[in-house]
Amino acid sequence: NAGVTQTPKFRVLKTGQSMTLLCAQDMNHEYMYWYRQDPGMGLRLIHYSVGEGTTAKGEVPDGYNVSRLKKQNFLLGLESAAPSQTSVYFCASSDGEERETQYFGPGTRLLVL
Amino acid sequence: KNQVEQSPQSLIILEGKNCTLQCNYTVSPFSNLRWYKQDTGRGPVSLTIMTFSENTKSNGRYTATLDADTKQSSLHITASQLSDSASYICVVSLKMYSGGGADGLTFGKGTHLIIQP
Repeated sequence: NAGVTQTPKFRVLKTGQSMTLLCAQDMNHEYMYWYRQDPGMGLRLIHYSVGEGTTAKGEVPDGYNVSRLKKQNFLLGLESAAPSQTSVYFCASSDGEERETQYFGPGTRLLVL
Repeated sequence: KNQVEQSPQSLIILEGKNCTLQCNYTVSPFSNLRWYKQDTGRGPVSLTIMTFSENTKSNGRYTATLDADTKQSSLHITASQLSDSASYICVVSLKMYSGGGADGLTFGKGTHLIIQP
């Protein structure tokens, strides 16, 4: 039982390049989330999914796209990376509903030059 | 605007000592409050979740309290250990009438705790 895993762990991009971050969970959770964490700020929700085939925007969705083709996977895409997207990205999953604990992945550090 | 304020921003204490971290929130309507521990370079890990009717909840040496009337919570760490060095994040959840709390979480900026030997 690996929990929530993220790949890659670290990536450097040039401005304008694209990439996809992969999140996988083996807990059969319905809900999955993508957050970004920047110095001096709390975690901010980018996009989330309440089930396979569904996605929704969070607080800071601009410049990102997501897909949930399989229940266990949640992909975060950057179509044209910008330096402002330099951040640590965390994926999380939960069993839905308000009281359920969110389980976080180890994070992906992204540097956009 | 829903906000979560944590204090202090950072704290240094000696190993074996106790400490208390504070969280004030303006989130309404309130569903639950969570405390997470985040080690450097790792993802947050849940410590406690408390609903409106719960005043206190413990997890080992961690005890969280909640006063829903004053919208304040605290996390008390007893007999601190070097492994307690981390950021502690307070998260408050909105009560979602339509079901699902995916976009109803407000995160605090965290308190950075350092335990010195």
